[in-house]
Amino acid sequence: EPEVTQTPSHQVTQMGQEVILRCVPISNHLYFYWYRQILGQKVEFLVSFYNNEISEKSEIFDDQFSVERPDGSNFTLKIRSTKLEDSAMYFCASSVDRGQETQYFGPGTRLLVL
Amino acid sequence: AQTVTQSQPEMSVQEAETVTLSCTYDTSESNYYLFWYKQPPSRQMILVIRQEAYKQQNATENRFSVNFQKAAKSFSLKISDSQLGDTAMYFCAFMTPQGGSEKLVFGKGTKLTVNP
Repeated sequence: EPEVTQTPSHQVTQMGQEVILRCVPISNHLYFYWYRQILGQKVEFLVSFYNNEISEKSEIFDDQFSVERPDGSNFTLKIRSTKLEDSAMYFCASSVDRGQETQYFGPGTRLLVL
Repeated sequence: AQTVTQSQPEMSVQEAETVTLSCTYDTSESNYYLFWYKQPPSRQMILVIRQEAYKQQNATENRFSVNFQKAAKSFSLKISDSQLGDTAMYFCAFMTPQGGSEKLVFGKGTKLTVNP
């Protein structure tokens, strides 16, 4: 069964450094998402992406964040200058279509900012 | 804004017994979808079950079923014949395509422990 994959599984970085989190969505899916889960808290929406454009973003997704689909398979989340409060689990998800379609999640990347 | 509330931070159940996890939501929309996701210790988010608001029939998926009460805005998850592998965090989530939104709104989760 097709799955969303994410790399790396864990990343440790110093405050102020740039990080890129990578995701490979399910191959026939057209909509891509990033969510964040700070330890012990609920999962929060960051951004959705379709047709090489951001279609929706939350207030969390400020200028420090960007997303990109650099090729036909990868979907990346970049944090330009990490802060301590960016430490969280980051989940990528994808869906066939928008609206009524189920979003399938990857295994997550655990980011720790020191 | 839509909100999802899970009022049980933790629950436990004996293996082979039945447990029900509660979820309520708040929305003024008529077209929406509800989901239960499971997050085991590995922290991967796994879809358990989904319900379309326009369907009156409650969704079932093997040992998992929901009790969807639209008027009460309630969406509880029943796990029958609980297994040790059901131990996980369970998140209720809401999504409405109204206004072009695609985001899932999650509750805070219920930590379920299945005891042998």
